[in-house]
Amino acid sequence: GDSVTQMEGPVTLSEEAFLTINCTYTATGYPSLFWYVQYPGEGLQLLLKATKADDKGSNKGFEATYRKETTSFHLEKGSVQVSDSAVYFCALRNTGTASKLTFGTGTRLQVTL
Amino acid sequence: DAMVIQNPRYQVTQFGKPVTLSCSQTLNHNVMYWYQQKSSQAPKLLFHYYDKDFNNEADTPDNFQSRRPNTSFCFLDIRSPGLGDAAMYLCATSTLIYNEQFFGPGTRLTVL
Repeated sequence: GDSVTQMEGPVTLSEEAFLTINCTYTATGYPSLFWYVQYPGEGLQLLLKATKADDKGSNKGFEATYRKETTSFHLEKGSVQVSDSAVYFCALRNTGTASKLTFGTGTRLQVTL
Repeated sequence: DAMVIQNPRYQVTQFGKPVTLSCSQTLNHNVMYWYQQKSSQAPKLLFHYYDKDFNNEADTPDNFQSRRPNTSFCFLDIRSPGLGDAAMYLCATSTLIYNEQFFGPGTRLTVL
């Protein structure tokens, strides 16, 4: 079946540091890939998405590129802020599964001053 | 603004006492989902409705039921909550035309 693997957290960075959160996936076919963010005490918010190979999703300074050859969708940001502290979930949606999302286990990011 | 609303945000119930969580949406989406998210874990899909067509995940316990009386509302009923059912419950919506699911803020359920 489909699966998503994320790097374990927490990831602790100083403000303005470079962020990478690794995500790899296993899926048949051509899934769409997503990053969701969950701030403390809140639900999930879609951060960015990519629907086909080599697409780059971007939002709020975050980027991720759909790499089919390495089955990866790593999340990056050039300069993190304290307000970016949250849990980040990588997810995929395969074709033919009626919009079902498969999530990774999440990576907690802590940004300190 | 169009949105997904969950009430209450925090719910406390007693072991074995039925509880209902509610979700409403102003997005007019066809599909509504319920997820269970335990601490430090990924959200786990319990079931979804496509319009009035109910789709249960194979591993969702019978203790969990759902109702969707109209397009805008969907309810999660836990018939006899156990301590292991304490979790954040997330409602989401989508239309099958798009890939994106829109999540509500969640209801945190505590079972005493």
